[in-house]
Amino acid sequence: DIQMTQSPSSLSASVGDRVTITCRASQGISNFLAWYQQKPGKVPKLLIYDASTLQSGVPSRFSGSRSGTDFTLIISSLQPEDVATYYCQRYNSALTFGGGTKVEI
Amino acid sequence: EVQLVQSGPEVKKPGESLKISCKGSGYRFTNYWIAWVRQMPGKGLEWMGIIYPGDFDTRYSPSFQGQVTIAADNSISAAYLQWSSLKASDTAMYYCARPRVSGSASDAFDIWGQGTMVTVSS
Repeated sequence: DIQMTQSPSSLSASVGDRVTITCRASQGISNFLAWYQQKPGKVPKLLIYDASTLQSGVPSRFSGSRSGTDFTLIISSLQPEDVATYYCQRYNSALTFGGGTKVEI
Repeated sequence: EVQLVQSGPEVKKPGESLKISCKGSGYRFTNYWIAWVRQMPGKGLEWMGIIYPGDFDTRYSPSFQGQVTIAADNSISAAYLQWSSLKASDTAMYYCARPRVSGSASDAFDIWGQGTMVTVSS
């Protein structure tokens, strides 16, 4: 089974900082990767799909990229409303989530 | 408006059975897969399984195979997640979710239900 290893598990940054979250697949998954944001007590929200395509309505400070089996979510300038837990998810066959990254300010 | 509306919170005892629902509206229900996702208290998201109401094709995560049953009723545009004998470890929030693309099980989830909290306690 393909494992998704997300890092770090948590981070603290300042408003305006550039934040990077990584998800590594144990095998190739092409671009079948999504990123979600879940604010405390809320429903997960799709941010990015196909590794780098921004979902409609998502602020442009969010971006995604892929290098081989390594995937990256970048928040270019962290805002207070970005406090949340972020999850990656592969969907090439099974639909496995990463362990999550809690982002604090 | 496309939406998934889930049934309300449940409090059950160990050994009891349960079926929770997820009703789709604003789109052709039989054209999109519906997935179920578990989130235990303070923990991450876990994909449980997925069903295609068009032909009832159902796939389970190995972690949940045999533990739950996923079903659908197209006459009322509803998907279900059911347990025959609950355990305390089934206490969690359960979400239904719909992939972006019609007919595809291999896609990101852009529509989510509001979640159903299931509490299992003696």
